[in-house]
Amino acid sequence: QVELQESGPGLVKPSDTLSLTCTVSGYSISSDNWWGWIRQPPGQEPEWIGYIHYSRRTYYSPSLKSRITMSVDTSKNQFSLNLSSVTAVDTATYYCVKKVSAKSYYEAWGQGILVIVSS
Amino acid sequence: QSALTQPASVSGSPGQSITISCKGTSSDISEFNRVSWYQQRPGKAPKVIIFDVSNRPPGISDRFSGSKSGNTASLTISGLQAEDEAHYYCTSYRDSNTLFGGGTKLTVL
Repeated sequence: QVELQESGPGLVKPSDTLSLTCTVSGYSISSDNWWGWIRQPPGQEPEWIGYIHYSRRTYYSPSLKSRITMSVDTSKNQFSLNLSSVTAVDTATYYCVKKVSAKSYYEAWGQGILVIVSS
Repeated sequence: QSALTQPASVSGSPGQSITISCKGTSSDISEFNRVSWYQQRPGKAPKVIIFDVSNRPPGISDRFSGSKSGNTASLTISGLQAEDEAHYYCTSYRDSNTLFGGGTKLTVL
């Protein structure tokens, strides 16, 4: 049973970089799956951010692409998200997710972490 | 404005059936059979209940069913139960991206 757990600061200042890590347990990140991030502003629908394969291939949301960097650390079974130059509109609950390569849906989600952008 | 259009709310009584629509375009729902539906209860992460238009993951009740016609996908919940009260989101694939609908709040009366 795969489990995902987000970690990182819950408060980030405007113009700073938001950095989150997802720790995967019960499953090897070095498998043919995509590991991604989805965020959900308070009271709104989720928004896809992007995903990364252990081979370092990535797909990013076009609207966020210029500010996103994703990485994987196979030795720690973790993957990470960096979102630069944040503003208040980046305030959201951030979920890390697992997508099997051959499938089109996100079969496992972390519990989510609320990140507030405020000075 | 969301990429996929859903009704903001639907309601039904226990035992009834309801249908939630999800309208996209010829570039997403119409072109690909990669529509998924997620159920989200308050304070929880979304959970997939339908994938690839009409398939259910293991453990999901057969009261949930999905379909597609042209650029509109639909989720039907039959035999409504109180536990079905939640937000429901559709997603579709377009240009290697995942699009989300605006979400539908289901109220069980």
